Amino acid sequence: QTVVTQEPSVSVSPGGTVTLTCGLSSGSVSTSLYPTWYQQSPGQAPRTLIYTTNIRSSGVPDRFSGSILGDKAALTITGAQADDESHYHCVLFTASGIRLFGGGTKLTVL
Amino acid sequence: QLHLQESGPGLVKPSETLSLTCTVSGDSIITSNFYWVWIRQPPGKGLEWIGSVYYTGSSYYNPSLKSRVTMSVDTSRSRFSLNLISLTAADTAVYYCAREEYTFRGWFDTWGQGTLVTVSS
Repeated sequence: QTVVTQEPSVSVSPGGTVTLTCGLSSGSVSTSLYPTWYQQSPGQAPRTLIYTTNIRSSGVPDRFSGSILGDKAALTITGAQADDESHYHCVLFTASGIRLFGGGTKLTVL
Repeated sequence: QLHLQESGPGLVKPSETLSLTCTVSGDSIITSNFYWVWIRQPPGKGLEWIGSVYYTGSSYYNPSLKSRVTMSVDTSRSRFSLNLISLTAADTAVYYCAREEYTFRGWFDTWGQGTLVTVSS
């Protein structure tokens, strides 16, 4: 059974740059899996940051960017701010039509 | 502006069936550009895609839940529904309805606020 992997927790200093990744337990992530990234604050529904690898959703600051790094999808935050402290989820659209979420990454800004 | 609102019981007994409805307002549920989706999140855990249904009724389900899930669309009432049978404590979660872009699958561009469902006797 294929699993989407994300770092459970990551920390970054204010103003710093951090990259979160989204991989597959078997195989590589490519643009054909339409990697999408969500940010979720406690008690809130997720909101879209990046869809189809690298397109920022409306209203998302340009300090958020998406890419493919090696065999994983990546979300990079450049110039992290305190209110970026949140949970980040990725989802992949697999060849079988299944939408697979990763376990999420808790980002701490300190 | 699209608005999605989940409704249904907050507490269900083990072995019973969960029925949730998502009411769509602000845009038409009859659209070739989007799927209608259910996603859930157990307390303190990650998100899980349950399934996506098109306005025609064609649907895709998570294989891990497929034997217990049915999703449907009621275009006359502008709503779509989730039925999940044979509940266990593992089905306790916040259930979200959402809209998914047809071209860019996995892009859930609008979400409901979510509804907590607890499975307990």
